[in-house]
Amino acid sequence: ETGVTQTPRHLVMGMTNKKSLKCEQHLGHNAMYWYKQSAKKPLELMFVYNFKEQTENNSVPSRFSPECPNSSHLFLHLHTLQPEDSALYLCASSPEPPMDQGNTIYFGEGSWLTVV
Amino acid sequence: GENVEQHPSTLSVQEGDSAVIKCTYSDSASNYFPWYKQELGKGPQLIIDIRSNVGEKKDQRIAVTLNKTAKHFSLHITETQPEDSAVYFCAAMIRSAGGTSYGKLTFGQGTILTVHP
Repeated sequence: ETGVTQTPRHLVMGMTNKKSLKCEQHLGHNAMYWYKQSAKKPLELMFVYNFKEQTENNSVPSRFSPECPNSSHLFLHLHTLQPEDSALYLCASSPEPPMDQGNTIYFGEGSWLTVV
Repeated sequence: GENVEQHPSTLSVQEGDSAVIKCTYSDSASNYFPWYKQELGKGPQLIIDIRSNVGEKKDQRIAVTLNKTAKHFSLHITETQPEDSAVYFCAAMIRSAGGTSYGKLTFGQGTILTVHP
């Protein structure tokens, strides 16, 4: 149990479907993230939210739409995805860091997405 | 932007041996270097980290060393056990232009460690 819970753990969707991934953190953190993990590629940062405000969008296609209603919950809305979007999507959280110091990121177990 | 290179991509050792994984980074402004372990079907879990004001950190069988001048850092696992088998990722924290860094980690490609009994 990492304190970051993701649902569903596995999702299969067609290219015309609309689905959402959900993340909840129980650590009292202020920052939440979506990362994408594909085979044979490094983890890629997708979005960063700090105190519910999006502070980073790493050139992610608009078919991925994040939502952060509060500091404990994060969603990733999916629509008209492509087969190459199949990957493990990882949610993470961290406390707000002071400047010039690192912060520790805690990952959830991930949601395995397959687009058919 | 930051670039992190990790080697080797696969590492196979006998139980009881030591394992070393090395990473290099490109941005001298990076000041935080965590290591994550990812077991099959799970998310990455932080196992140890080091900040740029420290050259070495140890936690039981795991140690990390940092050479800021050469911009490389390494993970050392001693007395390896089969349960150490996993994918290990290094990462480096890069500060944004505003001086803050909300989890903008750049990850290495990962090392698949296999410990044979």
